[in-house]
Amino acid sequence: DIQMTQSPSSLSASVGDRVTITCRASQGIRNDLTWYQQKPGKAPKRLIYGASTLQPGVPSRFSGGGSGTEFTLTISSLQPEDFATYYCLQHINYPLVSFGGGTRVETK
Amino acid sequence: QVQLVESGGGVVQPGRSLRLSCVVSGYTFNRYGMHWVRQAPGKGLEWVTFISYDGSDKYYVDSVKGRFTISRDNSKNTVYLQMNSLRTEDTAVYYCALMSPFDYWGQGTLVTVSS
Repeated sequence: DIQMTQSPSSLSASVGDRVTITCRASQGIRNDLTWYQQKPGKAPKRLIYGASTLQPGVPSRFSGGGSGTEFTLTISSLQPEDFATYYCLQHINYPLVSFGGGTRVETK
Repeated sequence: QVQLVESGGGVVQPGRSLRLSCVVSGYTFNRYGMHWVRQAPGKGLEWVTFISYDGSDKYYVDSVKGRFTISRDNSKNTVYLQMNSLRTEDTAVYYCALMSPFDYWGQGTLVTVSS
């Protein structure tokens, strides 16, 4: 089974900050990685797929990078609506998929 | 407008069973596989199971193998999750989802396993 490790598990940031979240895979997954955003009481929302392709409608301040075993999600200038929890998902052996543990982005 | 609506959650004692349903509208249901994903209170997302578009292929996370069964009725645009021998650690919000190629999720239904 492929394990996904996200870091940090939580972070505190201010509006306007640049935020970077990392996701590491226990083995190479090419670029078969998706990033989700989840707000309390809501279902997850896909932000980025293929490691770096922005989902239509998602603001350009979100970007993704990486391949193989290390991936990043960057928010270039944090906005009030971006305070949420973010998850990575690997799907190299789709439909067998697995999520990272999540990163909670809180207000400083 | 795409909608996925889960139902069937509730409070159940350990060892008992529960069946969740997810009714889909707004896209051609019988063309795509469906997932169930769960989230324990205050915890992260966990993929649970998948069923192919025609029901011929099914996959499960190890922790539910032999206890949970996914199925679908394409004539009713519905996917089911039969959960048997429930454990306290199965307590979670259960989401049905179409995760590829689109990103459609239900609102979730809460399952609480408690004596």
